[in-house]
Amino acid sequence: QQQVKQSPQSLIVQKGGIPIINCAYENTAFDYFPWYQQFPGKGPALLIAIRPDVSEKKEGRFTISFNKSAKQFSLHIMDSQPGDSATYFCAASKAGNQFYFGTGTSLTVIP
Amino acid sequence: DSGVTQTPKHLITATGQRVTLRCSPRSGDLSVYWYQQSLDQGLQFLIQYYNGEERAKGNILERFSAQQFPDLHSELNLSSLELGDSALYFCASSVGVSRDTEAFFGQGTRLTVV
Repeated sequence: QQQVKQSPQSLIVQKGGIPIINCAYENTAFDYFPWYQQFPGKGPALLIAIRPDVSEKKEGRFTISFNKSAKQFSLHIMDSQPGDSATYFCAASKAGNQFYFGTGTSLTVIP
Repeated sequence: DSGVTQTPKHLITATGQRVTLRCSPRSGDLSVYWYQQSLDQGLQFLIQYYNGEERAKGNILERFSAQQFPDLHSELNLSSLELGDSALYFCASSVGVSRDTEAFFGQGTRLTVV
């Protein structure tokens, strides 16, 4: 059973566009929500993370929006660049340090 | 380069065999995490060690075991291998034990079971 549901599976946008990746969860015990970026042949790298006490967090061109009541969170990439082309994973964690990952979104930014 | 070293990079072995994957964490990092990434299961957290002690357990099969040694390197042992164990296995390390301490991933070991 997938604890974190991620969509879409793949996404193609033009340079400068704003891709949005969505994730949803059911377990209200989750209290830490990171996003990871993975390039081909590399391990994932932490991009940005949020806790449910805030509704939005920005780091550079990356923004997480969090809706606690809907149990949904999303990643927005402002002014997307070809170098942002990668696979993005959302995740959720609860006390006890276990992490549950979404299935990943393959993003392609066309020049 | 994340500073996390995993060996070997590639491993091909037969069903029923046992293999050991090795991870050297970044200098100063006390936590080591193991993950499995496969096409059908996606990215799954397996286990975390902190300063030699097991701290968290995820979807790790009984056929799999791990440990962290006094020099902080870690090994993941996979036994009675099945075709479905073919995957990328990542190790990550972080300074602290808390889950919101950034963990840095190695480049992974690609295991192919034939």
